[in-house]
Amino acid sequence: GAGVSQTPSNKVTEKGKYVELRCDPISGHTALYWYRQSLGQGPEFLIYFQGTGAADDSGLPNDRFFAVRPEGSVSTLKIQRTERGDSAVYLCASSLTGQGGRETQYFGPGTRLLVL
Amino acid sequence: SQQGEEDPQALSIQEGENATMNCSYKTSINNLQWYRQNSGRGLVHLILIRSNEREKHSGRLRVTLDTSKKSSSLLITASRAADTASYFCATLLTGGGNKLTFGTGTQLKVEL
Repeated sequence: GAGVSQTPSNKVTEKGKYVELRCDPISGHTALYWYRQSLGQGPEFLIYFQGTGAADDSGLPNDRFFAVRPEGSVSTLKIQRTERGDSAVYLCASSLTGQGGRETQYFGPGTRLLVL
Repeated sequence: SQQGEEDPQALSIQEGENATMNCSYKTSINNLQWYRQNSGRGLVHLILIRSNEREKHSGRLRVTLDTSKKSSSLLITASRAADTASYFCATLLTGGGNKLTFGTGTQLKVEL
């Protein structure tokens, strides 16, 4: 079946603008994760959804970042008043249940965000 | 924050040689996973090893885990040019929910 998809692939915006990044998880996957990867670094956790609710949002850097998953499937990561330091690749992943600590997380291709 | 370090940061070998990458971490883990990333985009899951396991194989991949030293190694045997990529270890921390904590990665280049 189809993997995790993310749109757009690339996003260029100006400092201070609002952006939305979309993630379509693998069909039937309950758990959804957002990570951010800066150049030359490994991905860093942002937020994890179990169904419609955010089970862990401890990685969100500040209140400019917000994510939703209203129907337990597609998720949107929203960034307000973007700053140049927000430039990174934003990765989404999903897993079947999010339980048990043994599951593979399947990653999407990422959205490359550039804030000018 | 990153969980740990990967060593080496970059590795260049000839096709057919073996490649070994190491990962160290800092705190107690539930499991450790290795991922591959091409061109800075999507990550592909390679292998998962649980904290009570010491070694695992998958095709040309061999992973070891030493929880007493808080370290893991990934061995790719008989490397191919197509193995050129960045490789990351990621840990699922004990009591850390379901979030993965990634290392800094090793850039592997396999030359013909």
